[in-house]
Amino acid sequence: AIRMTQSPSSFSASTGDRVTITCRASQGISSYLAWYQQKPGKAPKLLIYAASTLQSGVPSRFSGSGSGTDFTLTISCLQSEDFATYYCQQYYSYPPYTFGQGTKLEIK
Amino acid sequence: EVQLVESGGGLVQPGRSLRLSCAASGFTFDDYAMHWVRQAPGKGLEWVSGISWNSGSIGYADSVKGRFTISRDNAKNSLYLQMNSLRAEDTALYYCAKDRGIAVARGEFDYWGQGTLVTVSS
Repeated sequence: AIRMTQSPSSFSASTGDRVTITCRASQGISSYLAWYQQKPGKAPKLLIYAASTLQSGVPSRFSGSGSGTDFTLTISCLQSEDFATYYCQQYYSYPPYTFGQGTKLEIK
Repeated sequence: EVQLVESGGGLVQPGRSLRLSCAASGFTFDDYAMHWVRQAPGKGLEWVSGISWNSGSIGYADSVKGRFTISRDNAKNSLYLQMNSLRAEDTALYYCAKDRGIAVARGEFDYWGQGTLVTVSS
């Protein structure tokens, strides 16, 4: 199975900051990567698919980039509602689809 | 509005069985692949199983292969997960998730239910 590794596992930031989360695949996955946001007690929400395509309704301050093995999720100007846990997921190789371990973004 | 509502979770002893259901509405159910994804308490997401629109393609995580069976009833707009030989490590919130791709599964999960909790304990 393809292993997905996110960094950092957690970090603190302030409203208005620009933040970047990194996801690395254990082998090349082209652009078959999605990003999800999960808030406490809620189901995950799809933010980005195909590495850089914004899901309908997701604010434009979210962006994704990368291909092959290295990917990033960037939030250009953090809002209070963005504090959550973020997961990357590969869908290049099935089964199984695999997720990163998550990155918890907390308020500084 | 797309809605996915899971049910069937509960407390079960190790080695016993449980069947989860997911009732779908707000979209043409038989156009899309569907998946089960679980989350152990305080842990990350783990894809469990997926099924194509016509049940012709089915996949499982190694951790559940041979014990869990996914199925769907397109006439009832419902997805199921039969879980046998349950273990403590199967304890998790089980989410039903819709695939974003029409006819062909893409592996992108664009809608999720709120989950049903399965607790395996004696």
